[in-house]
Amino acid sequence: SQQGEEDPQALSIQEGENATMNCSYKTSINNLQWYRQNSGRGLVHLILIRSNEREKHSGRLRVTLDTSKKSSSLLITASRAADTASYFCATDSGTGNQFYFGTGTSLTVIP
Amino acid sequence: KAGVTQTPRYLIKTRGQQVTLSCSPISGHRSVSWYQQTPGQGLQFLFEYFSETQRNKGNFPGRFSGRQFSNSRSEMNVSTLELGDSALYLCASSEQVMNTEAFFGQGTRLTVV
Repeated sequence: SQQGEEDPQALSIQEGENATMNCSYKTSINNLQWYRQNSGRGLVHLILIRSNEREKHSGRLRVTLDTSKKSSSLLITASRAADTASYFCATDSGTGNQFYFGTGTSLTVIP
Repeated sequence: KAGVTQTPRYLIKTRGQQVTLSCSPISGHRSVSWYQQTPGQGLQFLFEYFSETQRNKGNFPGRFSGRQFSNSRSEMNVSTLELGDSALYLCASSEQVMNTEAFFGQGTRLTVV
């Protein structure tokens, strides 16, 4: 079964607003990664956060990790129409580069 | 550096046939993993290779197999194709055996008719 579960499943916002997506997982992890996917194409790596980190930033992206609650959040600030995509969190298995993906959040940014 | 390259991008096969998909990782990356993405099951792990050795395998039937070559390029093979094998197959490349970023290719869209 999939380890991660994203919430909400779908999100629609106006351009310029912030978008927040959440991810919950079930077992201990070494790291959690966030990806973006446009219309059935490949996954674009956004950010990796390790289990000993609580927050990480990359441009307009802010990721938090709460290992006690087994949850992570991805915040996209000042959203753009080009941010329209599906966003996935992926957790490692602890035994290598085997990742468990959530079901994804479909983000629509309305111009 | 060039990204992860998957070939072919699109493939149409008939039920019962076999197919081979190829993945060239980022230069210097020795770990390659494969995933199947379908609307119903989402992204599911198939297998992972590091330095030509399979390290992990997902819960897929034996019709799904893979290998990795000494130059880190990897192939996956699906024999006796079924309609349910229609999916986007994604390959990911990582530098280390664990706890590093995984970068994905554009995928191979396989349609079984």
